[in-house]
Amino acid sequence: EPEVTQTPSHQVTQMGQEVILRCVPISNHLYFYWYRQILGQKVEFLVSFYNNEISEKSEIFDDQFSVERPDGSNFTLKIRSTKLEDSAMYFCASNEQYFGPGTRLTVT
Amino acid sequence: DAKTTQPNSMESNEEEPVHLPCNHSTISGTDYIHWYRQLPSQGPEYVIHGLTSNVNNRMASLAIAEDRKSSTLILHRATLRDAAVYYCILRERDTLNTNAGKSTFGDGTTLTVKP
Repeated sequence: EPEVTQTPSHQVTQMGQEVILRCVPISNHLYFYWYRQILGQKVEFLVSFYNNEISEKSEIFDDQFSVERPDGSNFTLKIRSTKLEDSAMYFCASNEQYFGPGTRLTVT
Repeated sequence: DAKTTQPNSMESNEEEPVHLPCNHSTISGTDYIHWYRQLPSQGPEYVIHGLTSNVNNRMASLAIAEDRKSSTLILHRATLRDAAVYYCILRERDTLNTNAGKSTFGDGTTLTVKP
């Protein structure tokens, strides 16, 4: 069965640093999403991406966040200047029904 | 987004059926009912979805009330691996593609399966 992969599985970074979280969606899918889950809290929608542009974003997805699909396979989430409160699990989803295993981001 | 209401937690015995309820009294005619689950330390996993008719797949069955104001996810024989948080989510039907549109996750139902 096809699956969504995410790298790295765990990223530790210092506050103020830039991080890039990577996702490889399922190859023939068209809709891509990022969600996050702070420890012990709900899964929260961040952004959806279709046809090489953002189709919807939440209030969480401010100017510090960006997404792109640079090479037609990878789908990346960039946080420009990380804050302590960005520490969370970040999940990529492909065509909505297929979620990746997540990247645990720890900001120190 | 239309809201869903689920019990916070449920318990089941292994090998027994489990019925997980969800109320969605404000559902609109264009909302699909989706169920996901999240096993400990994993990402959400799609379980099943439906619009009006009951649905079956290899993981579960979905029973939808005639007025669509509630639904029930049925696990026919619970196993220890089914212990997870189960989310009932409404997603507006996209006329172009049912794979479009975000999911709004609530608190879900934490299912505990006892051996």
